[in-house]
Amino acid sequence: GIQVEQSPPDLILQEGANSTLRCNFSDSVNNLQWFHQNPWGQLINLFYIPSGTKQNGRLSATTVATERYSLLYISSSQTTDSGVYFCAVERVITWTGANNLFFGTGTRLTVIP
Amino acid sequence: DTAVSQTPKYLVTQMGNDKSIKCEQNLGHDTMYWYKQDSKKFLKIMFSYNNKELIINETVPNRFSPKSPDKAHLNLHINSLELGDSAVYFCASSQPGQGKKHEQFFGPGTRLTVL
Repeated sequence: GIQVEQSPPDLILQEGANSTLRCNFSDSVNNLQWFHQNPWGQLINLFYIPSGTKQNGRLSATTVATERYSLLYISSSQTTDSGVYFCAVERVITWTGANNLFFGTGTRLTVIP
Repeated sequence: DTAVSQTPKYLVTQMGNDKSIKCEQNLGHDTMYWYKQDSKKFLKIMFSYNNKELIINETVPNRFSPKSPDKAHLNLHINSLELGDSAVYFCASSQPGQGKKHEQFFGPGTRLTVL
């Protein structure tokens, strides 16, 4: 199966700092999503980004599919950004009617005031 | 309006019992999924259902059985619960298809604790 690696595994930031999270994947993918799992366990969709760059407020993401990586950039971090950030990829070999996501191991972010 | 909902949110039960988790989506999606998140936070696909038919069944014990009464619902039945089944179970849905955005949306999760 496809391997998805995220770095760093843990990150502690002072409020207001910027950070970049990385996701590497071992094979070509059809789609890629970034999620934030908040301290209550909810998985929140951040970006659907199979390629290119998107921005949403203080967050932005870039996927370079040909080089098999994606970056999530968090600017001016806030304590509410704390949680685990997951990258997940979809690889379709034979169309089955489903697009399973394969998750990375996550980056645990702690933002301290 | 909650897009993907699950019940119950918490489930505590004894080993050997049989339990079910329900999932409903109001997004009009054709495909639904069950994922398992273990104690180390690793998320892994269990099942995929498309239009009420099982598409993919990853390596999951046959004590786990998904049941879909219609395309908006996908329930997870677990028989003879074991300690190792303790985890958070997430339901998700998407609208796959060529030329379509395959974004998956997740429910709030069900934390299952087997004693």
